[in-house]
Amino acid sequence: DAGVIQSPRHEVTEMGQEVTLRCKPISGHDYLFWYRQTMMRGLELLIYFNNNVPIDDSGMPEDRFSAKMPNASFSTLKIQPSEPRDSAVYFCASSSGAGGMSGANVLTFGAGSRLTVL
Amino acid sequence: DQQVKQNSPSLSVQEGRISILNCDYTNSMFDYFLWYKKYPAEGPTFLISISSIKDKNEDGRFTVFLNKSAKHLSLHIVPSQPGDSAVYFCAASSGTYKYIFGTGTRLKVLA
Repeated sequence: DAGVIQSPRHEVTEMGQEVTLRCKPISGHDYLFWYRQTMMRGLELLIYFNNNVPIDDSGMPEDRFSAKMPNASFSTLKIQPSEPRDSAVYFCASSSGAGGMSGANVLTFGAGSRLTVL
Repeated sequence: DQQVKQNSPSLSVQEGRISILNCDYTNSMFDYFLWYKKYPAEGPTFLISISSIKDKNEDGRFTVFLNKSAKHLSLHIVPSQPGDSAVYFCAASSGTYKYIFGTGTRLKVLA
């Protein structure tokens, strides 16, 4: 398997523009996560899905952020309109497994999408 | 409100010596803990985990210790190698898939 695939790897845009980040999880994984990495807050969980259904979006910072998972092999994270403070590295991760104690729910991360909003 | 804290942003260690990375948490409901390693321009990769029913887990050069009463875990790397230079994140969950990560510690192993 090629792992978790994210695109684009780098995105530079101007304030006010719409940004769409894409993720292809590992085939067979039924959990998908979006994280954001910043120096101040480390890795923050934005939202996660199970079987394409959003389970917890409490980490989504504002209404400007939205995420979808139309099928098991694709997810998007959209920021509209983007602001300079959204500049960060956004990671997608996927996982499968029965639960925390089983050891099977290790997250596999993609390489990330570095977003710069000018 | 940072539920998982890594208070040392960076650490330098001589090659061959022990590296000790620390992590503190506040939520007593956390029952599963993981360490991830991250190289520049790559995603974090899983390193080692521990459940709350244990106080130690070992995998080769890497050992994680859990002290539930102190709400503290640590990662020991022995011996440290230059290839271990990376950012290390600890993460915790409470029986769900909602992993909370710390801010990371940058380890530099000096040759």
